[in-house]
Amino acid sequence: AQSVSQHNHHVILSEAASLELGCNYSYGGTVNLFWYVQYPGQHLQLLLKYFSGDPLVKGIKGFEAEFIKSKFSFNLRKPSVQWSDTAEYFCAVPSGGGNKLTFGTGTQLKVEL
Amino acid sequence: NAGVTQTPKFQVLKTGQSMTLQCAQDMNHNSMYWYRQDPGMGLRLIYYSASEGTTDKGEVPNGYNVSRLNKREFSLRLESAAPSQTSVYFCASHRGESTQYFGPGTRLTVL
Repeated sequence: AQSVSQHNHHVILSEAASLELGCNYSYGGTVNLFWYVQYPGQHLQLLLKYFSGDPLVKGIKGFEAEFIKSKFSFNLRKPSVQWSDTAEYFCAVPSGGGNKLTFGTGTQLKVEL
Repeated sequence: NAGVTQTPKFQVLKTGQSMTLQCAQDMNHNSMYWYRQDPGMGLRLIYYSASEGTTDKGEVPNGYNVSRLNKREFSLRLESAAPSQTSVYFCASHRGESTQYFGPGTRLTVL
């Protein structure tokens, strides 16, 4: 079954800095990929998703991610972060049928003023 | 339209006690899921229900049971709680194209 790995566990940035969070999936073929965000004390919300077509996917709140098949990657980016982007970010991939998702271990982002 | 709701929001149990976490969705989704979230481990699937009347084990089912009561409701039961089950529990339903919609979570502490 597909899996994803997130190598950045904790990231601290200043406001207005650029963000890139790594996500790698385990093997090729047809792949759908997701980024979810969890703001402090809240539940997970979908940030963006990739199914096919344009490998550059735009999401909510100025986030985007680029699907690079040759690198098995789906990194999340934002040109200029805000304090309100402080959250935990999860990459996810469907696996094993039944519309199940396998999540990465998450990246805690802290944006400092 | 409340989406996915979970009760309770917080619970403290003693080792060996039992409890049931409730989840309901009003979006007419077929598939529902229970996850646990632990620091540094992301979300791990406990059980899921692809449709009403069916349930299947996920990655970490030991110590848990589930019931898909009807299309709306999917409950998670801890028969004999252990400290290792201290976690935040999320219920989710399938929104289409593998996208899942999550509830607000239940924070469970087992002493």
